[in-house]
Amino acid sequence: AQKITQTQPGMFVQEKEAVTLDCTYDTSDPSYGLFWYKQPSSGEMIFLIYQGSYDQQNATEGRYSLNFQKARKSANLVISASQLGDSAMYFCAMRAVFGNEKLTFGTGTRLTIIP
Amino acid sequence: GAGVSQSPSNKVTEKGKDVELRCDPISGHTALYWYRQSLGQGLEFLIYFQGNSAPDKSGLPSDRFSAERTGGSVSTLTIQRTQQEDSAVYLCASSPRTLGTSEAFFGQGTRLTVV
Repeated sequence: AQKITQTQPGMFVQEKEAVTLDCTYDTSDPSYGLFWYKQPSSGEMIFLIYQGSYDQQNATEGRYSLNFQKARKSANLVISASQLGDSAMYFCAMRAVFGNEKLTFGTGTRLTIIP
Repeated sequence: GAGVSQSPSNKVTEKGKDVELRCDPISGHTALYWYRQSLGQGLEFLIYFQGNSAPDKSGLPSDRFSAERTGGSVSTLTIQRTQQEDSAVYLCASSPRTLGTSEAFFGQGTRLTVV
């Protein structure tokens, strides 16, 4: 079974600062993918970044980067130079590459950017 | 269509009535997911389809909930004898089957209110 844990229910960060959102996971699958989604107050789910378990390098997408530490089973999202529009719920998710491709989500972190 | 389409966008029903929620995934996407999200909460997994079969329906909360998918495309989530605790946003997502490495694309959701 897969489990995603996000231990920060809420975070407040000053505009223009960097922020790290924590995500740890547990799985018995040897190959898997990790995803981060953003959900603004409008409710839409926006895909941000993907990391494969066998990728050698940490994923980056613009201001988003993923600090992937496989041995520690963590996949933290780093947002650089935060903006007011980054205020939203952030969800970490994972899915096995083979077999049951159920997509499992964590409970989310509500990020608020302070001007 | 261009994205995942869900209908209706809003549904108000009386307690005890049956409801059907529809999801039209992105053309060619073989994986389809249903989630439930209560206000301010995370995404609760309900069921996952690969083609027309459901390898994982472990999240369906009771036998009042059922889902089907036909033609490897449209899916319907049915809730029988609705209860007030069924009130939530029901989200559908689809994904191409690319060995689990592709992100899931979400619809806008159906907001269900049971009165």
